[in-house]
Amino acid sequence: DQQVKQNSPSLSVQEGRISILNCDYTNSMFDYFLWYKKYPAEGPTFLISISSIKDKNEDGRFTVFLNKSAKHLSLHIVPSQPGDSAVYFCAARDTNAGGTSYGKLTFGQGTILTVHP
Amino acid sequence: EAGVAQSPRYKIIEKRQSVAFWCNPISGHATLYWYQQILGQGPKLLIQFQNNGVVDDSQLPKDRFSAERLKGVDSTLKIQPAKLEDSAVYLCASSPDTLVTQYFGPGTRLLVL
Repeated sequence: DQQVKQNSPSLSVQEGRISILNCDYTNSMFDYFLWYKKYPAEGPTFLISISSIKDKNEDGRFTVFLNKSAKHLSLHIVPSQPGDSAVYFCAARDTNAGGTSYGKLTFGQGTILTVHP
Repeated sequence: EAGVAQSPRYKIIEKRQSVAFWCNPISGHATLYWYQQILGQGPKLLIQFQNNGVVDDSQLPKDRFSAERLKGVDSTLKIQPAKLEDSAVYLCASSPDTLVTQYFGPGTRLLVL
């Protein structure tokens, strides 16, 4: 049962253009969402997050949008740079899972972003 | 600030052998996580510690996997005996508490032949 899905395995974008990475979820109890970025042979690094009480969060070139009714979130990178080329994981958290706050993250499969110079 | 350390970085074993991975979290981080990432999939939580106590091991295959966190600092994850499907990257992460950002180590890539 894949509760968090990233349906695009890969995305190729020209430098300077916008990159849009998408993520869908099925568990309506998820109330916090994160994006992680992963380079080869390294662990994932936190990029940006959004609480379910918001619909947008912005940090520099990175913006995350949340559409709760559609159970969909997206990460926008603008302008895209070659150094952004990496695997991007969407993750979700149910803060009140089982009545206690364990902070367990459920990850999507990842999207490989390639930004061409 | 030093990051999460993991060793070894790579390990190749034959099926039915045993293997152990080590993780040293960021100093002061109370929460430690072990994830399994199979090729083409996202990380999947195996076990979560709060200090030296287990708070979630619902997805840990307990017939072959075990983990401990002695003194609430370092942690080891063991597989005994290994199966072919255990080939994956094993990621350790830590956080100051349960509801804050998790910081990941570089992972241990395991290949079971």
